[in-house]
Amino acid sequence: GENVEQHPSTLSVQEGDSAVIKCTYSDSASNYFPWYKQELGKRPQLIIDIRSNVGEKKDQRIAVTLNKTAKHFSLHITETQPEDSAVYFCAAGLPSSNTGKLIFGQGTTLQVKP
Amino acid sequence: DSGVTQTPKHLITATGQRVTLRCSPRSGDLSVYWYQQSLDQGLQFLIQYYNGEERAKGNILERFSAQQFPDLHSELNLSSLELGDSALYFCASNSLGFSGTGELFFGEGSRLTVL
Repeated sequence: GENVEQHPSTLSVQEGDSAVIKCTYSDSASNYFPWYKQELGKRPQLIIDIRSNVGEKKDQRIAVTLNKTAKHFSLHITETQPEDSAVYFCAAGLPSSNTGKLIFGQGTTLQVKP
Repeated sequence: DSGVTQTPKHLITATGQRVTLRCSPRSGDLSVYWYQQSLDQGLQFLIQYYNGEERAKGNILERFSAQQFPDLHSELNLSSLELGDSALYFCASNSLGFSGTGELFFGEGSRLTVL
């Protein structure tokens, strides 16, 4: 069945360092790969997404890369700040299909130490 | 504010009971999704409705059911509750098809505690 694996489950970095979270997906038909950030007690919110016709996308300090052949994608956060501390979820889906459901990874708890 | 409204925000009940969680999607969105987030767990897809019809089913237990009404709000019914059903239940909505970006907009969630 459809599955998204996410690693690591926890990540602790010093403020200013970079953080990398990696995901692999099983459904080769997936073509939409968003990343959500969930702060404690809050709802998940989209921070960046990438589609399968693009290999890399950047937005200020965050970037995503996609390797469709290997079926994996990664989130890169540079110059981390304490406010980046949260749980990050990757997901995979096919918005143009009959269902736009997203399958999420298990999440990565990022702690940025001041 | 995502525009997705969920009620109640918190609910405490006993094992064996039944509860109903309610969700109103963003204005204009026809598709509603339900996800379950248990402690230290990811977002597990339960079920999706589009314009009143079931579109996709995930790991939803037989004790759980959902529906979407003509005004597009959705309800998730959880019955014969067990301790393990304690979780945060999220509703999300979006626009399907070529007009949609694929992004899911989440509500604030309903936290269910089963004692």
